[in-house]
Amino acid sequence: GNSVTQMEGPVTLSEEAFLTINCTYTATGYPSLFWYVQYPGEGLQLLLKATKADDKGSNKGFEATYRKETTSFHLEKGSVQVSDSAVYFCALSVYGGSQGNLIFGKGTKLSVKP
Amino acid sequence: EPEVTQTPSHQVTQMGQEVILRCVPISNHLYFYWYRQILGQKVEFLVSFYNNEISEKSEIFDDQFSVERPDGSNFTLKIRSTKLEDSAMYFCASSVRERTYNEQFFGPGTRLTVL
Repeated sequence: GNSVTQMEGPVTLSEEAFLTINCTYTATGYPSLFWYVQYPGEGLQLLLKATKADDKGSNKGFEATYRKETTSFHLEKGSVQVSDSAVYFCALSVYGGSQGNLIFGKGTKLSVKP
Repeated sequence: EPEVTQTPSHQVTQMGQEVILRCVPISNHLYFYWYRQILGQKVEFLVSFYNNEISEKSEIFDDQFSVERPDGSNFTLKIRSTKLEDSAMYFCASSVRERTYNEQFFGPGTRLTVL
């Protein structure tokens, strides 16, 4: 079946530190991959996406590269800010047999301290 | 920028009562979804809806749940007889089905508290 595994949190970093949140996936078919972010008290927002192998999604300084050989889509940011404190969800969607519902990882809570 | 809206933002109900959660998807979208997130846990797919019928549903979406698009704009989730374990944040999402990927846009959620 299809599943997403992401690193357990919480992750606590100082401002300007480097961030990596690991995400690996299992999929039947050829998935599209997403990172969603949930700020405190808010809903889910799409942060970035990649639809094929070796694609790099990027937004707001965050990046993730679709690695088919390692079935991974790790999220990175070179210098985090306090405002990046949120819960980050890795997700996949498989086009084809199903209608493409999103399958989420458990989420990783990031806290950035000044 | 168009967005998905949901009402109410917070619903408190007694166990056994019926609740209806409402969503207004983005106007040109064709596919609609409900997800839920129990506090501290991952977001789980409930149901997808296209062309006025359910496309897919998860094991969670049992007979006490139903969805409807009563008019051209609203998309509702009904829970017939709420249980304590239905307490969660419920997210509506919508998408335009692209050929190669499925980017879903989420509403802000409705927090359902069952007492």
